[in-house]
Amino acid sequence: DQQVKQNSPSLSVQEGRISILNCDYTNSMFDYFLWYKKYPAEGPTFLISISSIKDKNEDGRFTVFLNKSAKHLSLHIVPSQPGDSAVYFCAATPAGTASKLTFGTGTRLQVTL
Amino acid sequence: DAGITQSPRYKITETGRQVTLMCHQTWSHSYMFWYRQDLGHGLRLIYYSAAADITDKGEVPDGYVVSRSKTENFPLTLESATRSQTSVYFCASFRDRGLNTEAFFGQGTRLTVV
Repeated sequence: DQQVKQNSPSLSVQEGRISILNCDYTNSMFDYFLWYKKYPAEGPTFLISISSIKDKNEDGRFTVFLNKSAKHLSLHIVPSQPGDSAVYFCAATPAGTASKLTFGTGTRLQVTL
Repeated sequence: DAGITQSPRYKITETGRQVTLMCHQTWSHSYMFWYRQDLGHGLRLIYYSAAADITDKGEVPDGYVVSRSKTENFPLTLESATRSQTSVYFCASFRDRGLNTEAFFGQGTRLTVV
């Protein structure tokens, strides 16, 4: 049973445009959400996170939105750059329980020129 | 250098053989984890450890054994490798900053079982 779902395996966006990556979750105990970025032959790297007490968190070109009632979060990248081409993983955990980090299946983003 | 390192980066082994993947971190993080990445499954937790000598099963523990005698090391052993264990394995350590939990990953070990 996939508790964290990324229903789009891939996404292609033109350079300069907005990239929107979506993530849905089913476990109502999840309270803290993270996005990781992964380049080929490298480990995932932390990108941005959001706690359930917020509905938005911004860090430069990256913004994560959380809709708790819909159990949905999204990552917006504006403007998209070729270096953003990577696989993006959504992850979720109950607050204060590092051991329960659950990942989605990932979305491959390709930013074209 | 500070960080988390995995070895080897690539490994080919035969079915039935025992193989150990190594993970070493220099931050003294309490939590360490092993994930496997497979197409269509994302990252799935195999085992984790909350501290030295404390380990617990994750989502897909069958066929794997872990130990953690020292805080900085968390080896993963495949006791009798099977083809279904062909995967990319990632070790991670967690820095838990109160409400914020951030995982740091190694570069991965690509394991092929033939």
